[in-house]
Amino acid sequence: DIVLTQSPATLSVTPGESVSLSCRASQGVNTSIHWYQQKSNESPRLLIKFASQSISGIPSRFSGSGSGTDFTLSINRVESEDFSVYYCQQSYSLPHTFGAGTKLELK
Amino acid sequence: EVQLQESGPGLVKPSQSLSLTCSVTGYSITSNYWGWIRKFPGTKMEWMGYISYSGRISYNPSLKSRISITRDTSKNHFFLQLNSVTTEDTATYYCARYGNSWGYWGQGVMVTVSS
Repeated sequence: DIVLTQSPATLSVTPGESVSLSCRASQGVNTSIHWYQQKSNESPRLLIKFASQSISGIPSRFSGSGSGTDFTLSINRVESEDFSVYYCQQSYSLPHTFGAGTKLELK
Repeated sequence: EVQLQESGPGLVKPSQSLSLTCSVTGYSITSNYWGWIRKFPGTKMEWMGYISYSGRISYNPSLKSRISITRDTSKNHFFLQLNSVTTEDTATYYCARYGNSWGYWGQGVMVTVSS
């Protein structure tokens, strides 16, 4: 199975800061990495697909980059509604796997 | 708009079977892939398996022979059965649609395995 390692586990920020969340794959996955946001008591929401492709309805402050084994989700000027958990997921090979998540919290 | 809704018991006894239904509206399950993903207490998430538009099924090998995913195209529903559950199967279970990424999710159903 492909292991996805997310870092940091927790990121404490103040609104208005810009942040980068990391996802590293145990083997190359091309660009088959997707990012999700999950708020408390809600379902995951797709933010970015295939490493950098935007999703309709997702604010433009969210962007993704990377290929191979190293990927980044960037949030430009964090807003209060962004405090939640972020997951990366790979669809390069079965079984699909998820990272352990990065919790973005208010400093 | 695609909507998914899970239903099923919230409490299952150890060694019994967990059975969930995902009701889909706004889109036919004879297109795309439809699957089950669970989130354990904490943040760990696990892909369990999916069924394709044609009925082809893939399972996570970690679940070995305990899992079964089926569908009823006449009702636009698909189903999860997980046999011989233990307390380690306590989780929130989501059904979702896969169309090169998991773009649509149900609201999730929390299932507790306890005697």
